[in-house]
Amino acid sequence: GQSLEQPSEVTAVEGAIVQINCTYQTSGFYGLSWYQQHDGGAPTFLSYNALDGLEETGRFSSFLSRSDSYGYLLLQELQMKDSASYFCAVRNGGSQGNLIFGKGTKLSVKP
Amino acid sequence: GAGVSQSPSNKVTEKGKDVELRCDPISGHTALYWYRQSLGQGLEFLIYFQGNSAPDKSGLPSDRFSAERTGGSVSTLTIQRTQQEDSAVYLCASSFPTGGYTFGSGTRLTVV
Repeated sequence: GQSLEQPSEVTAVEGAIVQINCTYQTSGFYGLSWYQQHDGGAPTFLSYNALDGLEETGRFSSFLSRSDSYGYLLLQELQMKDSASYFCAVRNGGSQGNLIFGKGTKLSVKP
Repeated sequence: GAGVSQSPSNKVTEKGKDVELRCDPISGHTALYWYRQSLGQGLEFLIYFQGNSAPDKSGLPSDRFSAERTGGSVSTLTIQRTQQEDSAVYLCASSFPTGGYTFGSGTRLTVV
């Protein structure tokens, strides 16, 4: 089956850089995704990595190493509004299968 | 529609009653997913549909839970004889078959 591990909580200050790690175990690999969820809100899609390397989207970047079954989400120039939970996710049972999510990392950004 | 629509947004029900939760996906999205999330917890997979068929029902917690999708569009999640442990936010998402998910705002279910 699929399983993912990510830290439960991370705290950082405004303007800093933070990295949220995710390690996974899968029976087949069809990419690593990241979602953001603010308290009381719905998860929203942030990024997707199918191949090794870094994908950059504005202040957010996501990295994947398939050989290490590892990825991370990098948030730069942190803002208060980045305080949220961040979930990594992998596909279950094929490229069209459902996503299995990690338990989430709660990021708190302090002034 | 422009986004994924879920109704009701909140539902309070008495233990033992049946409830129906509705999800209206983004037009054209063939895949539809149901998850539930307890307070401060992760996303627990329940069931997904490709078109009107459900390839994977393994996440349904018990036989009190069922779901259907008609016309490749709207889906209904039904919980029979609700229990207090069913209290959670039920989230629906839709996507193209291999695309990123768009989630609805969820239905907050409280069983009293």
